[in-house]
Amino acid sequence: DTAVSQTPKYLVTQMGNDKSIKCEQNLGHDTMYWYKQDSKKFLKIMFSYNNKELIINETVPNRFSPKSPDKAHLNLHINSLELGDSAVYFCASSQGRGTVWDFGPGTRLLVL
Amino acid sequence: DQQVKQNSPSLSVQEGRISILNCDYTNSMFDYFLWYKKYPAEGPTFLISISSIKDKNEDGRFTVFLNKSAKHLSLHIVPSQPGDSAVYFCAASARGGSEKLVFGKGMKLTVNP
Repeated sequence: DTAVSQTPKYLVTQMGNDKSIKCEQNLGHDTMYWYKQDSKKFLKIMFSYNNKELIINETVPNRFSPKSPDKAHLNLHINSLELGDSAVYFCASSQGRGTVWDFGPGTRLLVL
Repeated sequence: DQQVKQNSPSLSVQEGRISILNCDYTNSMFDYFLWYKKYPAEGPTFLISISSIKDKNEDGRFTVFLNKSAKHLSLHIVPSQPGDSAVYFCAASARGGSEKLVFGKGMKLTVNP
C-alpha cells in the first residue's frame, strides 16, 4: 500500500544508453516532483508537474525529459546517459505549499 | 548558493538524552519549514513542520523551534532513541515562489544505546 512508488529501485547501465524511471502516487496529490541526490548528498529539485502541466524545470540538461500521462504518474526519461548522471533520483508528490511532500524510495542509477 | 544550511554533518548522543539538530536559512521569503528523516536506501519521510506564523511546533518526542529574526530553526528530540539514528534533512519553501522544497545537506544522527 505504498503512497509513492518508483521503479526500478536500482539501475546499472552503460554510458550513452537511454533509460526511464517510473513514478506513481496513490495519494490523490495534484503535484509531483523529481529530485536528484548527488554524491555530495544534496537533494535538488529537477522538475515539478501540476495536474500534468510542467511548472518547474530547474536548469536540467535537455537529455532529461519528464512525462506525466496523468496526475498520478510522473516518469523520467534520460537520453545519452553520462557518468555524472549517477545519483539517486527521488520522486515526490504534494498537495501544494503548506502541506507535506511525500517521497518515493528512490532509484539508484549507476552509469558505467 | 545554499539557501538552507545544516552546518554540522553529524551528531552522536546517548539514548535518553536530548538531540538538537540545527538549520539556518538565508532566504527571507521562506515561510514553511519541514524536517525529514532518512534511513539508508529509503526515501525521506516527513517528521514535523512549522509555519512562519508560529515559533514552536510539537509532536510527541519531536519539537521544532523557529527563530525568524535569526533565520534559524532547530529540531529537538527528547528522549532520543536508537531508532532515531538516521540522516535528518531540513527543508523550506518560499511564499510567492514556485512550489518546491529547498533542502539542506542533511545531518547524520547516531543515538547510542
